[in-house]
Amino acid sequence: DGGITQSPKYLFRKEGQNVTLSCEQNLNHDAMYWYRQDPGQGLRLIYYSQIVNDFQKGDIAEGYSVSREKKESFPLTVTSAQKNPTAFYLCASSMGRGGIYEQYFGPGTRLTVT
Amino acid sequence: QQQVKQSPQSLIVQKGGISIINCAYENTAFDYFPWYQQFPGKGPALLIAIRPDVSEKKEGRFTISFNKSAKQFSLHIMDSQPGDSATYFCAASSGGSQGNLIFGKGTKLSVKP
Repeated sequence: DGGITQSPKYLFRKEGQNVTLSCEQNLNHDAMYWYRQDPGQGLRLIYYSQIVNDFQKGDIAEGYSVSREKKESFPLTVTSAQKNPTAFYLCASSMGRGGIYEQYFGPGTRLTVT
Repeated sequence: QQQVKQSPQSLIVQKGGISIINCAYENTAFDYFPWYQQFPGKGPALLIAIRPDVSEKKEGRFTISFNKSAKQFSLHIMDSQPGDSATYFCAASSGGSQGNLIFGKGTKLSVKP
């Protein structure tokens, strides 16, 4: 069953702790993305990666870090430097080449930091 | 210039009616315009997409209308059903920037039975 998986679905952390959100895809897509969703704000791009071992900052990268060591995986770390980390986090992937832009999203992880 | 402005923020439609959501953009380099549907607690799902070489694209009850000169595009949902109740996002991409999507802020649609 092809798709994008994100785990866990819900995550709770204390303020000051780093937390890593998992994203895995078996679609053989080159490009992967992390978005943050807040009520009334739409989707805002945190980081994206077009190829293994390379990634770029999006619009709201401060307080976040990523790695792309494998094509299938693009974990996101929410660091203690992120001032307002409570949000719904979405991972997406796309073929990333040949003019194919369709992005497909995972089910999301809801992070609550108290 | 990178913004995509979406309206209305919320929409209530009676079952069987037509739901219309509008988006406007400034960047003339945008060449791909998708619509996503999102149910509460779920990830967005690609609904339908259009490129600027056509003015309309229809898939079932969903139609995108595209007006290149006005830099506007809209989603029409015909014969709206309670199951269509969701949040809808428009987006745009220029491809040149690795295909990154710029999203509107979303429209929450409620279809009343």
